[in-house]
Amino acid sequence: DQQVKQNSPSLRVQEGRISILNCDYTNSMFDYFLWYKKYPAEGPTFLISISSIKDKNEDGRFTVFLNKSAKHLSLHIVPSQPGDSAVYFCAASPWIQGAQKLVFGQGTRLTINP
Amino acid sequence: NAGVMQNPRHLVRRRGQEARLRCSPMKGHSHVYWYRQLPEEGLKFMVYLQKENIIDESGMPKERFSAEFPKEGPSILRIQQVVRGDSAAYFCASAQADTQYFGPGTRLTVL
Repeated sequence: DQQVKQNSPSLRVQEGRISILNCDYTNSMFDYFLWYKKYPAEGPTFLISISSIKDKNEDGRFTVFLNKSAKHLSLHIVPSQPGDSAVYFCAASPWIQGAQKLVFGQGTRLTINP
Repeated sequence: NAGVMQNPRHLVRRRGQEARLRCSPMKGHSHVYWYRQLPEEGLKFMVYLQKENIIDESGMPKERFSAEFPKEGPSILRIQQVVRGDSAAYFCASAQADTQYFGPGTRLTVL
C-alpha cells in the first residue's frame, strides 16, 4: 500500500526553466511534508519542508506547495540549474513533535539539460 | 559541524554471516532513525531509537534484525544470518527537532 506516490519516475527540463515535481498522498493523518534530493551513492539531502497549517513555503529557488483537500504537494525549482539533476523524494509523516516516521515516495529522477 | 556518519560505506557478506552497520548522529542529536532502500524504490522506515531506548520498531523484520543506540557510542543495526534479499542501501538519519538529516548510507551486498 503506497501511501506516498510520485507518479513520474523521471522528468527532463531545460536549464533556466521551471521544474515541477509532484507528489500525492493518501493518509489524512500526514501533516508534515519534506522534500529530499539524492545523488547516486550519497544519502538524501534535506531541501525544504511544509506543515499542514501552510499552503506554501519558499526557500530561494525552491518552493513547496501543499493542497490538503487534494492530498497533493509539489516542488517548484526555478530557475533550474544543471546541478539540480538528481533523484527527488517527497516524504510525509504525522506531526508528532520529536518523532517522525517518514514515509517516502518512490522518487523522481530530474535531469536538467544545459 | 560534522554530519551524520555511517560506516562502513560498503559491506559484502556471504549468506549466513552477520552484518553490523554503524551510525553516529550529528552532534547534539539524540534521535536516530534507520531506513532501508531496495533498488529502484524509496526509503522505507525500519526503526526509531533514542539513547538506550527503542521507540518504534514497526518497520523492522521480525527475525534476524535488531538495533541499539547505547548511552555511549554509535547506533548499531545488526542483521544476523544475512540472505540475498537483505542486499540494499541502509541509511540512518538523526534529528533533534522536525527535520531528519541523513548519513551517506551503507551499501550491503550479500553474495
